[in-house]
Amino acid sequence: DADVTQTPRNRITKTGKRIMLECSQTKGHDRMYWYRQDPGLGLRLIYYSFDVKDINKGEISDGYSVSRQAQAKFSLSLESAIPNQTALYFCATSGLAGGGSYNEQFFGPGTRLTVL
Amino acid sequence: TQLLEQSPQFLSIQEGENLTVYCNSSSVFSSLQWYRQEPGEGPVLLVTVVTGGEVKKLKRLTFQFGDARKDSSLHITAAQPGDTGLYLCAGEDYNQGGKLIFGQGTELSVKP
Repeated sequence: DADVTQTPRNRITKTGKRIMLECSQTKGHDRMYWYRQDPGLGLRLIYYSFDVKDINKGEISDGYSVSRQAQAKFSLSLESAIPNQTALYFCATSGLAGGGSYNEQFFGPGTRLTVL
Repeated sequence: TQLLEQSPQFLSIQEGENLTVYCNSSSVFSSLQWYRQEPGEGPVLLVTVVTGGEVKKLKRLTFQFGDARKDSSLHITAAQPGDTGLYLCAGEDYNQGGKLIFGQGTELSVKP
């Protein structure tokens, strides 16, 4: 079974609708992240959470909100979707590696969101 | 703001050729990670380099971290069609809790 799962994998919605993307992980990591990917722009950080009570904005948080329901679950919401939020969305977790000297991130399979 | 410039953005080569992808920044990173992503899937971690000047090899892939930990390169020897995909570099700022700054990605196509 995959360590990081995302639902749904694909979603088409209309402008103004509320959308929730969900992420679950079995890696036991405290840290979780939401990214969006657009062609030619790499991955940009939307929100991140270092534990259940610690949630932080990333570089492009406007128009998005998150909820960390448990250590293993981190959801991303678009309160009122707009067409320029059409993108691939990835959830990731990270844990210490190399004897604690650095973090390694592990990604889910992504959600392809289209806003019409 | 930390930036990581990755080049080239697109690369189309014939099977058997060699190639190098570069990631450059004016910022110092505590580690540098390379990922490979296939269509419809999430990025998969290939390697992490941590020490300035470090070289790591993964079969035909060679990863190098610059001495000043501001740049990195990925060299592929005798590329094969199975190497086709999007390659992403990402720099970690350990002092910011392990957040990653991603390069724009290199779309590699290896033709038989």
